[in-house]
Amino acid sequence: EAGVAQSPRYKIIEKRQSVAFWCNPISGHATLYWYQQILGQGPKLLIQFQNNGVVDDSQLPKDRFSAERLKGVDSTLKIQPAKLEDSAVYLCASSSTGTGMTDTQYFGPGTRLTVL
Amino acid sequence: GNSVTQMEGPVTLSEEAFLTINCTYTATGYPSLFWYVQYPGEGLQLLLKATKADDKGSNKGFEATYRKETTSFHLEKGSVQVSDSAVYFCALKGGAGSYQLTFGKGTKLSVIP
Repeated sequence: EAGVAQSPRYKIIEKRQSVAFWCNPISGHATLYWYQQILGQGPKLLIQFQNNGVVDDSQLPKDRFSAERLKGVDSTLKIQPAKLEDSAVYLCASSSTGTGMTDTQYFGPGTRLTVL
Repeated sequence: GNSVTQMEGPVTLSEEAFLTINCTYTATGYPSLFWYVQYPGEGLQLLLKATKADDKGSNKGFEATYRKETTSFHLEKGSVQVSDSAVYFCALKGGAGSYQLTFGKGTKLSVIP
């Protein structure tokens, strides 16, 4: 079974530029998550999708971040314009149902973003 | 709200040494507890989990016991190998109806031959 795929793996941009990340979850998984992991910290949830609807985006900085999950499969996360403090690893995860205490999240390799 | 506190690293051990990484949590209700591992250049992988008090999760020689009385979920391994070098994250889900994962800051483990 293929895991969660993400691209690109690395991205370097200058502040005020825009950037987009792509995620392909495990086949059949209804729930998709985007996390931000700043160096030295644990991942922080940015947004959670259930199929193609948003379940939770309370920690997404909506003035510069946006995300979509077209057709309930792939997802893209965009930052526009980027700030220095956006430098982090952006992780995508997926899970079967998104509910229940035993539902397990599977993570992709992440995209390391550096904003200069 | 929910929170996870784990011991700060980095931790450096010699091969075959005993490993303990402490993790305590704050949550309402009855959360599920997890340990994830992140090997260099890779994504997070679920290492083990426990979903109720006194459960013991185990995998690859690692184990952790869900202790509700001390709100702890310490990770242990009897004999570490160089290949165990990674960053370990304690996490919880649930309590008060939330299914979100809340992570600790991570503990970097380096095992030297």
